[in-house]
Amino acid sequence: DQQVKQNSPSLSVQEGRISILNCDYTNSMFDYFLWYKKYPAEGPTFLISISSIKDKNEDGRFTVFLNKSAKHLSLHIVPSQPGDSAVYFCAARNSGAGSYQLTFGKGTKLSVIP
Amino acid sequence: DADVTQTPRNRITKTGKRIMLECSQTKGHDRMYWYRQDPGLGLRLIYYSFDVKDINKGEISDGYSVSRQAQAKFSLSLESAIPNQTALYFCATSDSTGIRGYTFGSGTRLTIV
Repeated sequence: DQQVKQNSPSLSVQEGRISILNCDYTNSMFDYFLWYKKYPAEGPTFLISISSIKDKNEDGRFTVFLNKSAKHLSLHIVPSQPGDSAVYFCAARNSGAGSYQLTFGKGTKLSVIP
Repeated sequence: DADVTQTPRNRITKTGKRIMLECSQTKGHDRMYWYRQDPGLGLRLIYYSFDVKDINKGEISDGYSVSRQAQAKFSLSLESAIPNQTALYFCATSDSTGIRGYTFGSGTRLTIV
């Protein structure tokens, strides 16, 4: 039972355009959401996060939007750059039972075409 | 030095062999995790430990064992390696709140032939 779903395995975007990566979740005990970026031969690195009490968080070219009623979040990258080409993982923190563990989606491979 | 160090970075071993992957961290975190990454399957949790005396199975623990030797060290063992354990393995650490997320190591690429 996948609690965090990234339904698009891959996405290609032209340099300079907007990249939108989507993530859906099912567990209402998730209270914090994070995006990780992973380059080949490296470990995932934290990119941006959002608390469930907010609907938007922005950090430079990266913005995460949260729609709690739809249990949906998205990561916007504007403008997209070739160096953004990586696998992006959506993750959600489970506040249930005080475990605060993260559940990860399967990832979306973003390719930014020069 | 990296916050989370995994050794070895790459390993090729034969079916049936025992192999240990090691992880050490300088973050001072209590919580440590082992994940494997396979194409199309994302990051799957193998084992996790919330402190030195706490070990828990993740979603795919069969065929694996772990040891938490100290707060900073968490090793993963494959007692008798099989080819479908060929994957990229990541160790991660976190504080008890998880708000700052996990810090991952650079990974171990393990190939079982």
